[in-house]
Amino acid sequence: DARVTQTPRHKVTEMGQEVTMRCQPILGHNTVFWYRQTMMQGLELLAYFRNRAPLDDSGMPKDRFSAEMPDATLATLKIQPSEPRDSAVYFCASGPDSALATNEKLFFGSGTQLSVL
Amino acid sequence: SQQGEEDPQALSIQEGENATMNCSYKTSINNLQWYRQNSGRGLVHLILIRSNEREKHSGRLRVTLDTSKKSSSLLITASRAADTASYFCATDASAGGTSYGKLTFGQGTILTVHP
Repeated sequence: DARVTQTPRHKVTEMGQEVTMRCQPILGHNTVFWYRQTMMQGLELLAYFRNRAPLDDSGMPKDRFSAEMPDATLATLKIQPSEPRDSAVYFCASGPDSALATNEKLFFGSGTQLSVL
Repeated sequence: SQQGEEDPQALSIQEGENATMNCSYKTSINNLQWYRQNSGRGLVHLILIRSNEREKHSGRLRVTLDTSKKSSSLLITASRAADTASYFCATDASAGGTSYGKLTFGQGTILTVHP
């Protein structure tokens, strides 16, 4: 049963610390999305990649956030330094986006719940 | 920014009743999708309706789309306690018809179905 895997599931850290969240997209999916969910803002798109290349990261605070895809099986989202306002659930999603199966359905991981104290 | 706004924010019904959730959006779209989120979990895709479609069915789900009003509705018939979750509409407004799946989500409707 193919699924998107995110680690860690929960992270508690202190303000100023670096946080790294990881995502393993479904094998064969070539688009990866990072979303952040908060009560106030709902689901916000932070960044997304296609064939490991960043297509749009305009939703991400550039001074402290960075997103990369070191290889096709790993996407990372880093926050350095972290701040209390970064507390949220961060979701990774992937999609196939091929000639056979366009991205009309995204598959979400279970999220990383981040608390910055 | 949020493309979709959903109504109602919360809905509480009894098992067996129908649940209707509405979504409005602002820009032209390629398609509109509905997702479900159980507490503490990720989102799960339910159904997609394209901009040239007006109605679609999948099991107990019925989705309508009115592009002239920029609105959609999700109907869950004969609801069950297991349908309790948050439901989100999401719009794909990728330019030029190329859909990489970049979605903009509404704020969601919290549905509670009482046994």
